[in-house]
Amino acid sequence: DAGVIQSPRHEVTEMGQEVTLRCKPISGHNSLFWYRQTMMRGLELLIYFNNNVPIDDSGMPEDRFSAKMPNASFSTLKIQPSEPRDSAVYFCASSLGEWSYGYTFGSGTRLTVV
Amino acid sequence: AQSVTQPDIHITVSEGASLELRCNYSYGATPYLFWYVQSPGQGLQLLLKYFSGDTLVQGIKGFEAEFKRSQSSFNLRKPSVHWSDAAEYFCAVEVDAGNMLTFGGGTRLMVKP
Repeated sequence: DAGVIQSPRHEVTEMGQEVTLRCKPISGHNSLFWYRQTMMRGLELLIYFNNNVPIDDSGMPEDRFSAKMPNASFSTLKIQPSEPRDSAVYFCASSLGEWSYGYTFGSGTRLTVV
Repeated sequence: AQSVTQPDIHITVSEGASLELRCNYSYGATPYLFWYVQSPGQGLQLLLKYFSGDTLVQGIKGFEAEFKRSQSSFNLRKPSVHWSDAAEYFCAVEVDAGNMLTFGGGTRLMVKP
């Protein structure tokens, strides 16, 4: 298995532009998580899905952020409009959905908003 | 609510020396416990996990961790550190079937030659 695949690896965009981050979870995993990592705040859970359904989005910073999971093999995290304070590394992770297995993380997308 | 504390933000050890990274959790029952490692520019990789049974668990890359219920701790150890172990290490707990991990703040390990 190729693991959790995120794209792009790096994204540089101008303030006000729309940004879309993509994630392909491991086949057969039915839980998917979006995290944001910064030096100041560490790892923050933004949202997670179980069987493609959003379960908890309380970590989404504000309405500028939205996430979708149209099927079991694909998820997107969109920021519109982007702001410089959104600059961070965004990680996607997936798991089998039963507790005790832990997560498998993707390599992340480093987002820079200028 | 459960919490995870990694008291040491940075640790520096010499190559070949032993290592212990501390992790304490706050939760009424015994959670499932994990250690992850993050190399620069990479995602988090699972090192080891504890569910039940033997309180000393072995992981990848020569790491082990010991669960101590009386101390609510799950410290990570390695007898001899290699330069390639320089990374950030995260402790995490999972406390219910909602499949949610709570992460500690991380400990950044530096290895001196």
